[in-house]
Amino acid sequence: DAKTTQPTSMDCAEGRAANLPCNHSTISGNEYVYWYRQIHSQGPQYIIHGLKNNETNEMASLIITEDRKSSTLILPHATLRDTAVYYCIVRVAGGTGTASKLTFGTGTRLQVTL
Amino acid sequence: NAGVTQTPKFRILKIGQSMTLQCTQDMNHNYMYWYRQDPGMGLKLIYYSVGAGITDKGEVPNGYNVSRSTTEDFPLRLELAAPSQTSVYFCASSLEGSYEQYFGPGTRLTVT
Repeated sequence: DAKTTQPTSMDCAEGRAANLPCNHSTISGNEYVYWYRQIHSQGPQYIIHGLKNNETNEMASLIITEDRKSSTLILPHATLRDTAVYYCIVRVAGGTGTASKLTFGTGTRLQVTL
Repeated sequence: NAGVTQTPKFRILKIGQSMTLQCTQDMNHNYMYWYRQDPGMGLKLIYYSVGAGITDKGEVPNGYNVSRSTTEDFPLRLELAAPSQTSVYFCASSLEGSYEQYFGPGTRLTVT
């Protein structure tokens, strides 16, 4: 799996957009970018994933650069409940067997403040 | 659906003791996983299973054993507990080929 690099921590004011970057310069052509988050003391939660097109769901948007070497997770209107550690993970989509595994780094700790 | 449930929530073990962490899912997922998370770190895969009767090692399997006799249950066994096994343990499940893993609430284990 490709290695990812994320900032250790970020702050965001409540109601503003939170933009969380991720660098994955060694990503392979068949690898997707996944985002999970972990609210304090809870299990991780899936947010979104994408290959090369921008993606949006009810939780967030994912912007992937044209060369696919980096991406940005956008929480459009951050709330206090979005305070969490956000993990950017690269792996083959819909992997079976060993390819189903997720490799977590240390992620970005997002603090949303009033 | 209850999703992925784990018991116990907390446990303190003495060095050398053994215990089993329970994990059950009611989503009929064939894939199940055990991760551990040390303070300030990301999750590391201990073992995983792609179906009943099939298990395989992850990144950090030493000191642990698993079994998968049913689709629903995936217990993690600690033999001869050591302080290095102090951690939070998360169980997860997914459908084969799915992009999403569902995680349980975790078991916080302290070995002293």
